[in-house]
This record gives sequence, C-alpha cells and structure tokens, in this order.
Amino acid sequence: AQKVTQAQTEISVVEKEDVTLDCVYETRDTTYYLFWYKQPPSGELVFLIRRNSFDEQNEISGRYSWNFQKSTSSFNFTITASQVVDSAVYFCALSEDTGRRALTFGSGTRLQVQP
Amino acid sequence: DTGVSQDPRHKITKRGQNVTFRCDPISEHNRLYWYRQTLGQGPEFLTYFQNEAQLEKSRLLSDRFSAERPKGSFSTLEIQRTEQGDSAMYLCASSPGLGGHNEQFFGPGTRLTVL
Repeated sequence: AQKVTQAQTEISVVEKEDVTLDCVYETRDTTYYLFWYKQPPSGELVFLIRRNSFDEQNEISGRYSWNFQKSTSSFNFTITASQVVDSAVYFCALSEDTGRRALTFGSGTRLQVQP
Repeated sequence: DTGVSQDPRHKITKRGQNVTFRCDPISEHNRLYWYRQTLGQGPEFLTYFQNEAQLEKSRLLSDRFSAERPKGSFSTLEIQRTEQGDSAMYLCASSPGLGGHNEQFFGPGTRLTVL
C-alpha cells in the first residue's frame, strides 16, 4: 500500500524567510510519480510539480525548488524568500506508474506567511 | 480550454435527500477521477473512469454512491439518502491518461453540507 506523510501540520514564517515542507512516502512500486499541489483559501488544488521515480535531479522553478532523495524516500519542497501569496495548504502526493494512477495524498502542511 | 469545472460549487441538503454533482473535465482528457476531501485532510480517491468505463471504485464508495460518465466526457456523482458523514468537498480531476504524464488537474470542487 502507498502512504504519504507530511509531519508538519502548520508552519508560520515571516515574509522573505525561506521555508521547507517535508514529505516522506512509502511504496512497493519501483516506478512511481511524486507530486506537489497547492490549495489556496479558494480551495482549488493547483498542480506544482511532477517527478518520476527515475529522475532524482533536483528542480528549481523561480522561488520554488524540490529535493527528491530516493534513499530516504523523501520529496521536500522549499520556497525561497516566501511571500504572503504563498500562504496555502500544500499537499504532497504519490501515484503508481500503471493501472489507476490515482493520487495518494498526505494530510497537508498549512503555510502561513506573515507580512 | 478553461480547465476542469464542477457544478454546483456548494450544496446544502437535508439528511436522506439525494444529490447529484457534475464534472466537466479538460477536453480530450480521457481519465476522470473523483476524490473526497474532509476538513484538515488530503483528498481521498473514490473512483475513476477511462473514457466512459468506470474501472475502479474505492471501498470508501458505499452503495449509496454512483458515478457515471456516459459519453466519455462529463461525469456525474450521485449520493442517495445522504448522511451527515457525507459532508465533504467532492473534487473532480482529469488527466490525459496516456503515456508517462499522469498529472491530474483539479476542478474547484463541490462542497456538500448535509444537515
């Protein structure tokens, strides 16, 4: 069975601080996908990134960066120079590569960025 | 294309009533998923369609729930004899379903309140 753990329930930072959101996953599949989604107060889940299990390169997109470490089954997300607009709930998710490919979500981390 | 749409956005009903939700996926996406999200939790998989075929249902989906995707385009989710425990956000997502790209794009959700 697949499982995603986001141990940080809520994080509060002051604007311009860097913040890292942790994600640890469990799966028996050798090929799988990892995702991060953002859920702002409006409620709609916004896709941020997809990472294939074969690709352990870190990725940077603007102020966002992702660190995938297969050895520790972690897929952490860092926001550099946080802004108030980054305030949201962030979900890490996992899916298998075949079959239904449904997403297994963690319980989310609520990020509050104070001005 | 304007993305995944869901209707209604909010539904308040009395216990025992039937409700139906609609989801319009991104056009040409052949996979459509339904998830349920309760307060403070990540979304949980309910069921999915490959074109018009419903291929899997979660054990979360009791006999009171039924979903259809009659022509492989929009989908409906019906809950019969609603119970207070059905109160949740019901999310629809679509994905291309083919090849290695299985990121799912979510609609705004339907928030159901059962009184």
